Amino acid sequence: GQQVMQIPQYQHVQEGEDFTTYCNSSTTLSNIQWYKQRPGGHPVFLIQLVKSGEVKKQKRLTFQFGEAKKNSSLHITATQTTDVGTYFCAGPRMDSSYKLIFGSGTRLLVRP
Amino acid sequence: DGGITQSPKYLFRKEGQNVTLSCEQNLNHDAMYWYRQDPGQGLRLIYYSQIVNDFQKGDIAEGYSVSREKKESFPLTVTSAQKNPTAFYLCASSIYRGAGASHNEQFFGPGTRLTVL
Repeated sequence: GQQVMQIPQYQHVQEGEDFTTYCNSSTTLSNIQWYKQRPGGHPVFLIQLVKSGEVKKQKRLTFQFGEAKKNSSLHITATQTTDVGTYFCAGPRMDSSYKLIFGSGTRLLVRP
Repeated sequence: DGGITQSPKYLFRKEGQNVTLSCEQNLNHDAMYWYRQDPGQGLRLIYYSQIVNDFQKGDIAEGYSVSREKKESFPLTVTSAQKNPTAFYLCASSIYRGAGASHNEQFFGPGTRLTVL
């Protein structure tokens, strides 16, 4: 069946270091979304990428969508303690595009 | 203020009891969803509804039931048939423009933490 995988599962960084999480889909995706969930909170939408090779930036966050539209990455430059949380990627399901399939998430911990 | 509300925030249940989790949205979204999240895990789809009076099973529907009598409301009942109900339950909603349309972001409620004693 359709799968979306994320690596790493956990990342512990020193404040100021960079962080990257990778998302890989078993199928080609029409778009990919990224969400952030703070500890004890709920997922919050960050961004959607639609075009092959697309790169979008939000301040210190850089999102990329692969040329084959099967992988994506989120890179955070100079992490801050406010970046702590779990980052999920999600793509439309093959059987119905308005349903999402979520990756297992990458949990980011930042040492002050 | 537009958004999604879930209640209660914490819920404790004895084994063998059914409980109902509330989810209300005032975003005028057609589609609503219920997810289950276990510690350190991703989101698994329980049920979803794209329109009033219609809903479909997700990946892990066994032991759960839902209703969609109003556009704003999508309550989830966790029945005694659900063998491991302790989890964090998240409700979400999104615009629905038809099965073939580009996907739109999902808005999540604050969640309900259910613990079975």
